[in-house]
Amino acid sequence: GEQVEQRPPHLSVREGDSAFITCTYTDPNSYYFFWYKQEPGASLQLLMKVFSSTEINEGQGFTVLLNKKDKRLSLNLTAAHPGDSAAYFCAVSAYSNYQLIWGSGTKLIIKP
Amino acid sequence: GPKVLQIPSHQIIDMGQMVTLNCDPVSNHLYFYWYKQILGQQMEFLVNFYNGKVMEKSKLFKDQFSVERPDGSYFTLKIQPTALEDSAVYFCASSLPGGISYEQYFGPGTRLTVL
Repeated sequence: GEQVEQRPPHLSVREGDSAFITCTYTDPNSYYFFWYKQEPGASLQLLMKVFSSTEINEGQGFTVLLNKKDKRLSLNLTAAHPGDSAAYFCAVSAYSNYQLIWGSGTKLIIKP
Repeated sequence: GPKVLQIPSHQIIDMGQMVTLNCDPVSNHLYFYWYKQILGQQMEFLVNFYNGKVMEKSKLFKDQFSVERPDGSYFTLKIQPTALEDSAVYFCASSLPGGISYEQYFGPGTRLTVL
């Protein structure tokens, strides 16, 4: 079945710098891709969902890249600020089911 | 935004006892999910539920697990009997019907400790 590997498990960057998190997946039938943010003690919050046909998606303060050839999904937080400190999770799903297969998470710390 | 609530936030229970985890999903959502996250490990899908039935389940959804949503109230995960390896944080989620493209809204999790 699908396996999702997320790197790095921990990341510490200075305020104003970029933070880059990557997930690789194995199933070529994967179609939907998600990034979630989880602040301490809070629920998972959807940052962005990406469909298989879209390669670059920009949100507020971040960019999501999908490379289908390499089966790689990445999240780039630009100009990180303290509010970005959280755990980030990628999740992947095939077209035909409702299951999310998760990466192991990245704990991001933004230093002043 | 829409919120999913989970009750209780923490539960400590002796091995072999029964536990019920409660989820109050977003009011107009019709798909419901449970996920399990062991400390330090990745979140794993357990089960999803629609129209009174389990639609998909993973191999983690053991025979001791059951889900239901009686009369549109809480969506519950029952474990009977519990085992030590059931210790984890359990996340409930809900979504509109229509496929995985619809966002799943997550609750804050219930931390279950089995002694």
